[in-house]
Amino acid sequence: ETGVTQTPRHLVMGMTNKKSLKCEQHLGHNAMYWYKQSAKKPLELMFVYNFKEQTENNSVPSRFSPECPNSSHLFLHLHTLQPEDSALYLCASSLGLSTDIQYFGAGTRLSVL
Amino acid sequence: DQQVKQNSPSLSVQEGRISILNCDYTNSMFDYFLWYKKYPAEGPTFLISISSIKDKNEDGRFTVFLNKSAKHLSLHIVPSQPGDSAVYFCAASGINSGNTPLVFGKGTRLSVIA
Repeated sequence: ETGVTQTPRHLVMGMTNKKSLKCEQHLGHNAMYWYKQSAKKPLELMFVYNFKEQTENNSVPSRFSPECPNSSHLFLHLHTLQPEDSALYLCASSLGLSTDIQYFGAGTRLSVL
Repeated sequence: DQQVKQNSPSLSVQEGRISILNCDYTNSMFDYFLWYKKYPAEGPTFLISISSIKDKNEDGRFTVFLNKSAKHLSLHIVPSQPGDSAVYFCAASGINSGNTPLVFGKGTRLSVIA
């Protein structure tokens, strides 16, 4: 248990559905991250929030919409996804950016049909 | 272009022997390096790190070596145990290049055979 909880663990959705991924941390961290892990690819950073403000958006398509209402919660809203968006979506948090160790959740395995 | 490269997708080692996992980077601004370990159905967990002011950092059975001139780091696990079987990710960031988030490699799957 790393202190970072992601729900749901598994999600199957159609291309016209709207769903949300949730991440919660109780570590007192100020930075939160969304990563995408596809088969045989490196972890891809999607979004970074520091003190609830978005500091990075790595050219992510607008069908992925993050929301960070406070330092403990991070959401990823999904709509009109494509089958190639099927992947493991990981949330992480750290005390600060850069050198601070990131603690990861177990991930949400997403399948888009 | 990948800034952090782990060229071996997999590695098999006999229990009790040394496991050596390699990582190369291209960005000379990177000055802080970490290794993460990932079991199936779990998120990556932090294992060990090294700053560029050092060339070696040791924690129990795990040692990370950094060769700045070659832009290369390696993780040594000795003795290897079956429980070490996992995917290992190398990651890098730059302290002096601002608050840049970590860049990860693709990972190396280590199998320790009993």
